[in-house]
Amino acid sequence: AQTVTQSQPEMSVQEAETVTLSCTYDTSENNYYLFWYKQPPSRQMILVIRQEAYKQQNATENRFSVNFQKAAKSFSLKISDSQLGDTAMYFCAFMSYDMRFGAGTRLTVKP
Amino acid sequence: NAGVTQTPKFRVLKTGQSMTLLCAQDMNHEYMYWYRQDPGMGLRLIHYSVGEGTTAKGEVPDGYNVSRLKKQNFLLGLESAAPSQTSVYFCASSIGHYTEAFFGQGTRLTVV
Repeated sequence: AQTVTQSQPEMSVQEAETVTLSCTYDTSENNYYLFWYKQPPSRQMILVIRQEAYKQQNATENRFSVNFQKAAKSFSLKISDSQLGDTAMYFCAFMSYDMRFGAGTRLTVKP
Repeated sequence: NAGVTQTPKFRVLKTGQSMTLLCAQDMNHEYMYWYRQDPGMGLRLIHYSVGEGTTAKGEVPDGYNVSRLKKQNFLLGLESAAPSQTSVYFCASSIGHYTEAFFGQGTRLTVV
C-alpha cells in the first residue's frame, strides 16, 4: 500500500519570506499523481498544486512550486513571498488507484 | 453548481446508535471517497468507489459500510457508533484515476 510521510508537524515563516514543506512517499507504482492541498480554519480542502509522475518538469502555480524527485520519492512544496492568508494545514497526497494523504503540516505565517 | 455536498454537517450520536452520512456530487464523477480526519493523523481513507454499484475498502474500513446505488451519491453508514468514531468526515469525488479530488465541507461527528 502507498504511504505518504510529512515529517514536519508544524512550521512557521515570516511574512514575505520563503518556506519549504517536505513530503516523501512510498510506492511500487510508476504512474501516479501527487498533490498539495491546503486546509484553512474553514476546514475546506483546497487544491494548491498537482504533479504528474511522468513529467520531469516541476509544477508551478504563482507563488507555489514543487521539487519533485521521483527516484528519491520526494515531493516538497515551496511557498514564496508568504502571505498571512497562507496560514493553514497543508496536506501532501498521492493518487494511483486511490488517494492517500500525509499527516499534514501546520504552517503559520507571522506578520 | 454545488460540487460535493455532505449531509449533515454536524451530528452527535450516543454509543450504539446508527446513522448514515450522505455525499452527493453533481459533476458526473466516477470516483468517490470517504475519509476521516483526526488530529495528527491527516485524512485516512475509509472506503471508496470507482463507479456506480462498486465499492472498495481503504485504510480504516472497520465499523463502516458504504453503498453507491446511484452514481451521484455515496453513503457512509455506521451500524453501531463507538466513541473512537468521533471525527470529521470528508467526502470527495474525482473524474477518475490521476485527477484531482473535490471535497465536501466535512461532517463533524461526535459519539458520546
